[in-house]
Amino acid sequence: SQQGEEDPQALSIQEGENATMNCSYKTSINNLQWYRQNSGRGLVHLILIRSNEREKHSGRLRVTLDTSKKSSSLLITASRAADTASYFCFMREAGSYQLTFGKGTKLSVIP
Amino acid sequence: EPEVTQTPSHQVTQMGQEVILRCVPISNHLYFYWYRQILGQKVEFLVSFYNNEISEKSEIFDDQFSVERPDGSNFTLKIRSTKLEDSAMYFCASSPRGRDQPQHFGDGTRLSIL
Repeated sequence: SQQGEEDPQALSIQEGENATMNCSYKTSINNLQWYRQNSGRGLVHLILIRSNEREKHSGRLRVTLDTSKKSSSLLITASRAADTASYFCFMREAGSYQLTFGKGTKLSVIP
Repeated sequence: EPEVTQTPSHQVTQMGQEVILRCVPISNHLYFYWYRQILGQKVEFLVSFYNNEISEKSEIFDDQFSVERPDGSNFTLKIRSTKLEDSAMYFCASSPRGRDQPQHFGDGTRLSIL
């Protein structure tokens, strides 16, 4: 897999449902971040999880990190129409300066 | 809340011309970045800048590209002799401290090469 692959590529859910997006990566990382991008806009930082953390919460967001499987998931609970956006994981390889975004999951929340 | 601003929002340029994209990072931030996003593709890292010099750059950031902080507020990306494949959204970002910190992004400049 590439550094920073996400699935699904697209996700459509009803308002009130939970949305789960996954990110897999190839090499060791220092931390992993999730960003959101509304159509035609810049990216907005959501949450950062360090390599020594397994789970982190922020409001309706829950992020997990499994360094043994080299994967992370972003859960949005009780989704709202305003959550409609693309979501990207972002990471820096340990020992490297290269910064990498995942390919993103396009989330559509239907009112 | 302070934000990163980018100008122009849309730039149309003839192939072979030089273009300068401008960014004003958040004032107390120390690290600055440029990324690009070709339509329908993922966001790609171009370059990071700290203490008035390039700290890291990707393979994409070749001799065609240069960055500059000409004064205390602006951060520019120059693309010399533009090519059709340079057409993309270009995002500027800044962070208060190191590269492992959350970054604040501008809304981007859409560059269209004709």
